[in-house]
Amino acid sequence: NAGVTQTPKFQVLKTGQSMTLQCAQDMNHNSMYWYRQDPGMGLRLIYYSASEGTTDKGEVPNGYNVSRLNKREFSLRLESAAPSQTSVYFCASSDRGPSSAIQEKLFFGSGTQLSVL
Amino acid sequence: GNSVTQMEGPVTLSEEAFLTINCTYTATGYPSLFWYVQYPGEGLQLLLKATKADDKGSNKGFEATYRKETTSFHLEKGSVQVSDSAVYFCALKGSMSGNTPLVFGKGTRLSVIA
Repeated sequence: NAGVTQTPKFQVLKTGQSMTLQCAQDMNHNSMYWYRQDPGMGLRLIYYSASEGTTDKGEVPNGYNVSRLNKREFSLRLESAAPSQTSVYFCASSDRGPSSAIQEKLFFGSGTQLSVL
Repeated sequence: GNSVTQMEGPVTLSEEAFLTINCTYTATGYPSLFWYVQYPGEGLQLLLKATKADDKGSNKGFEATYRKETTSFHLEKGSVQVSDSAVYFCALKGSMSGNTPLVFGKGTRLSVIA
């Protein structure tokens, strides 16, 4: 039972470098999400994809881009990393879309710890 | 907009102590409410949920009751164990039309000592 798989688990970047965080789910879920977790700030939504082919901004999208490559995969790209992007990044998925009136249970990956020097 | 406010942590308790983590929310309509738990080194996982007023969610000895009159969803456990040490997040899903992803509180870290 893989669930939601994120790669890499750890990454150190220099300011200005770019990288892509990968996320894949094997539960045939429609919706996928990227969150960042910072001390004292909790989880904040960066981007989400309610279904294959659609993406929407969340609370803190600046400095990030996303691609919903197919139903399984949702990647997060940092084009020019900044120290303020040092964080733990979580990918999540759900079988219900965010517009569903039915409660939405999220399944999370184990996270990517990113440090930008 | 929708928001969730949790009590500040960290919370440190002795084994078998009673736990309460406060959560209040602001939302229009009738949101669904959740508690998620994050164990060390892992992603979040759903602990319990409630979808309408006066519903009680329960799991693994934890309980929370959806109180619309006080806009609260406090998490309780009668006797905590060391294995309950984790970060607990209250979350809300709005009921109004349109895309409304889950909104999380800032999290409360619980440490249980033997």
